[in-house]
Amino acid sequence: DTEVTQTPKHLVMGMTNKKSLKCEQHMGHRAMYWYKQKAKKPPELMFVYSYEKLSINESVPSRFSPECPNSSLLNLHLHALQPEDSALYLCASSQDGYGYTFGSGTRLTVV
Amino acid sequence: AQSVTQLGSHVSVSEGALVLLRCNYSSSVPPYLFWYVQYPNQGLQLLLKYTTGATLVKGINGFEAEFKKSETSFHLTKPSAHMSDAAEYFCAVTRDNAGNMLTFGGGTRLMVKP
Repeated sequence: DTEVTQTPKHLVMGMTNKKSLKCEQHMGHRAMYWYKQKAKKPPELMFVYSYEKLSINESVPSRFSPECPNSSLLNLHLHALQPEDSALYLCASSQDGYGYTFGSGTRLTVV
Repeated sequence: AQSVTQLGSHVSVSEGALVLLRCNYSSSVPPYLFWYVQYPNQGLQLLLKYTTGATLVKGINGFEAEFKKSETSFHLTKPSAHMSDAAEYFCAVTRDNAGNMLTFGGGTRLMVKP
């Protein structure tokens, strides 16, 4: 298995909702990442997990809460989001920085 | 700190013509360099990467890139463009010498005319 699987592919949520994005990989990669991508822009790093521990938080607002339950799973919990948080959220994994594998993303719309 | 600059946010070529997408980097340590392609409403797919060794790197779909340390460049080329090559292309560099953080250039949208 050489893929990163993200669910759901599309999500519409209200500003008072709580939802979660999920990411899964079975390549044995020990680093996992969340990126946010706005339209016509490059992906921006949000969080890095290394060996299931949060190693990087790029000053992301607390309404985004990452979780790494085990080495294969990465979640992003969403609460009280704003319309400007609407974006494509990409998950990625890597073993040693030599190669990153990206999922196909979750298209999030906050209404 | 590492950074990446992609020259030209939009590039238009005719089908069958040479594709050249430019990428320059700045890095305080030997960089790992990547090119990714993104089709509409999809994630990023790795085209090719340079870590060490041969400076001419061949990737998927007929693309290749050459690492030129003296010019701090990693330009992407393809001899003959296909309509299916129309997409967004991102050059990226790892932000630290542990390779744990990937930083992207601004992206170049490639348009292919029939």
